[in-house]
Amino acid sequence: QAVVTQEPSLSVSPGGTVTVTCGLNSGSVSISYYPSWYQQTPGQAPRTLIYSTNTRSSGVPDRFSGSILGNKAALTITGAQADDESVYYCVLYIDNDHWVFGGGTKLTVL
Amino acid sequence: QVQLQESGPGLVKPSETLSLLCSVSGDSLSSYYWSWIRQPPGRPLEWIGFVYKTETPRYSPSLRSRVTISADTSKTQISLTLKSVTAADTAIYYCARGGFLEWLPWGNWGQGTPVTVSS
Repeated sequence: QAVVTQEPSLSVSPGGTVTVTCGLNSGSVSISYYPSWYQQTPGQAPRTLIYSTNTRSSGVPDRFSGSILGNKAALTITGAQADDESVYYCVLYIDNDHWVFGGGTKLTVL
Repeated sequence: QVQLQESGPGLVKPSETLSLLCSVSGDSLSSYYWSWIRQPPGRPLEWIGFVYKTETPRYSPSLRSRVTISADTSKTQISLTLKSVTAADTAIYYCARGGFLEWLPWGNWGQGTPVTVSS
């Protein structure tokens, strides 16, 4: 069964750049997995940031970008702000059949 | 503006069946993929499954043997049934609207309904 991996936690300084990665236990992540990224703050439903690898959802600031880096999907935040402190989830579409979320990455801005 | 509202019992006994409804207003069901996603306390999100029009629903492999998702287009409701629940099924259950293609993101979410499995 597919397991999607993410860093459990990362930190970034205000104004800095941070990259969250999304791997797959069975191999490389490619665009055919349609990697998407969601941001969740406590007590709230998730919000779409990026879908289909690198398409920014409506209203998402351009400091958020998605890509494939090596064998993983990646979410990069450039110019981090205090309100970017959240949990970020990657999700992959496996075998054109079902979605699998990663374990989430808790981002601290300090 | 589409709105989604989950509803359900709140508390279910172990080994019983959980039934939830997602009521959709402001749009029809027919053009989108509708998913159920859950989040146990302090844990990551977990996709449960989706339904699209009259196609066969798709489910997470880990839940496939216990879950059924269906859509009632006349009532604009999506239902979730989960059999033989255990404490591990305790979670907030979200209904989410995807796009007209299965890989499009979930752009609209309900507020979530908490479910506790306990005797």
